[in-house]
Amino acid sequence: GAVVSQHPSWVICKSGTSVKIECRSLDFQATTMFWYRQFPKQSLMLMATSNEGSKATYEQGVEKDKFLINHASLTLSTLTVTSAHPEDSSFYICSATGDYGYTFGSGTRLTVV
Amino acid sequence: AQSVTQLGSHVSVSEGALVLLRCNYSSSVPPYLFWYVQYPNQGLQLLLKYTSAATLVKGINGFEAEFKKSETSFHLTKPSAHMSDAAEYFCAVSHTGTASKLTFGTGTRLQVTL
Repeated sequence: GAVVSQHPSWVICKSGTSVKIECRSLDFQATTMFWYRQFPKQSLMLMATSNEGSKATYEQGVEKDKFLINHASLTLSTLTVTSAHPEDSSFYICSATGDYGYTFGSGTRLTVV
Repeated sequence: AQSVTQLGSHVSVSEGALVLLRCNYSSSVPPYLFWYVQYPNQGLQLLLKYTSAATLVKGINGFEAEFKKSETSFHLTKPSAHMSDAAEYFCAVSHTGTASKLTFGTGTRLQVTL
C-alpha cells in the first residue's frame, strides 16, 4: 500500500531557529500534499495545500512567511518553520494524495524551547 | 462549505461491548466521508471511507459505518470492543475522493475498560 515517510518524528529546537520537516511518498506520486497542525487533544487543522511545482495555498490565518512549504517533486514536500517560537510547538502531520487516496505521514512533534 | 460534527469527545465502553461513535456531516455537494484512527503521537490510519457506492461500508479491524443521507450521518460501529481499540477517532469529509482537502471533526477518544 501507499506509504508516506515523515521525518523527523520529533524535534526540539531553540527559540528563533528554523526547523524543516520532510514528507516523502515512497511508492507513489503525490500530486497534492496537505499539511496539518494538531494541538494536544484537538483535531487536525489544515495549514496549507501544495501541488508539485506550484506555490502552496495557505489557509486563512496561517503565516506563509513563517511556514514555508516546498513541493519540488512528486515524491517530496517539506515544511520549514522559520524563527520558531514556543507557540509553534505542536504536532505536524502531512497527507499526500495520489492514486491511493489520502495517505498520512506519522507526524512530527515539534517542541520549541 | 463542508463540516463534520462528532458528538461526544469521550466515549467509554467495556471490552466486548458495542462501540458507537457518532458523526454528522454538512456538505453542499455529495460528500466523501472517512473515519480515521489515531494512536498517541502517530499519524492517521484509515478505517473506512464512503464514496457514494454502498451505504454500508465495512472497514478494517471489524469497524463499519452506515451513510444515512436523510439523517446526514455516518456513525462508526463495532460489535465488540477490544482493548486495542482505545484511541482517538476522527470523522472527516471532502468534496472529492482525493484531490480536495479533508475537513476533520473534533475527534472522539474511545476508552475501553475491562
